[in-house]
Amino acid sequence: KNQVEQSPQSLIILEGKNCTLQCNYTVSPFSNLRWYKQDTGRGPVSLTIMTFSENTKSNGRYTATLDADTKQSSLHITASQLSDSASYICVVRSSGGYNKLIFGAGTRLAVHP
Amino acid sequence: NAGVTQTPKFQVLKTGQSMTLQCAQDMNHEYMSWYRQDPGMGLRLIHYSVGAGITDQGEVPNGYNVSRSTTEDFPLRLLSAAPSQTSVYFCASSYSKLRQGVTYEQYFGPGTRLTVT
Repeated sequence: KNQVEQSPQSLIILEGKNCTLQCNYTVSPFSNLRWYKQDTGRGPVSLTIMTFSENTKSNGRYTATLDADTKQSSLHITASQLSDSASYICVVRSSGGYNKLIFGAGTRLAVHP
Repeated sequence: NAGVTQTPKFQVLKTGQSMTLQCAQDMNHEYMSWYRQDPGMGLRLIHYSVGAGITDQGEVPNGYNVSRSTTEDFPLRLLSAAPSQTSVYFCASSYSKLRQGVTYEQYFGPGTRLTVT
C-alpha cells in the first residue's frame, strides 16, 4: 500500500536553532517528492520538489534531501525563525496518473522565542 | 494574478442541506482538484479535472459532485451534508502532467472550513 509517514508528529524548538523533519515512503513507482509548508488557516505552499535523480535541494534556510534507495527524505531548517512555525507536509507523487499524490499527515513545528 | 481563490472561507450547514464550494484560478491551469484535510491525516483527493468538461473521482468521492465548464472554475457540490463531511476543503491547480519529464508545481487555495451539525 502506498504510504507516506512523517516524524515527529510535532516538535518545539527555540528560535535560532536548527531542526530536521523526517519522511519515509513506500510509494511505487516513484516520480517525485515534495515538501510543503502550511501555515495555520492557510493552504499548503511548496518548498521543494525533488525527482529520483536529485539528492538535495535548497530553498533559502530549507534544505531537503532524498535517498531513493532507502525511500527516505528529510527537511532541514537552519537558524529557525518564529515564522517557521507551521505544519510541514511531505508528498510523494507516483508515476502514471493525475491522482497519484500521496500526502503525509505532516509535522507540526512550533518555534518559541 | 490572484492564484487559487476559494469561497466561502467558513460555512456551517445542518445535516441534509446542500451547498457549493467555489474554486477559481487565473493561471490557465488545466488540472484542478479538490482535497479534504482532517486532523491527523494527510490530504485526501475527492475529485479532479484535467480540463474543461473532464472530471474524475479521487480517493473519497462519495457525497460530492463536481463539474468543469470552464478552465477557470471548479465548484464542489455537497448533495446532502453529513457530519462526516465536517472538514477543511482545499482546491488546487497546476499545469497538466501530460508533458513527459516536466514536474509542475501545484498551487493550493486558502481553504474552506466546513462544519456540519
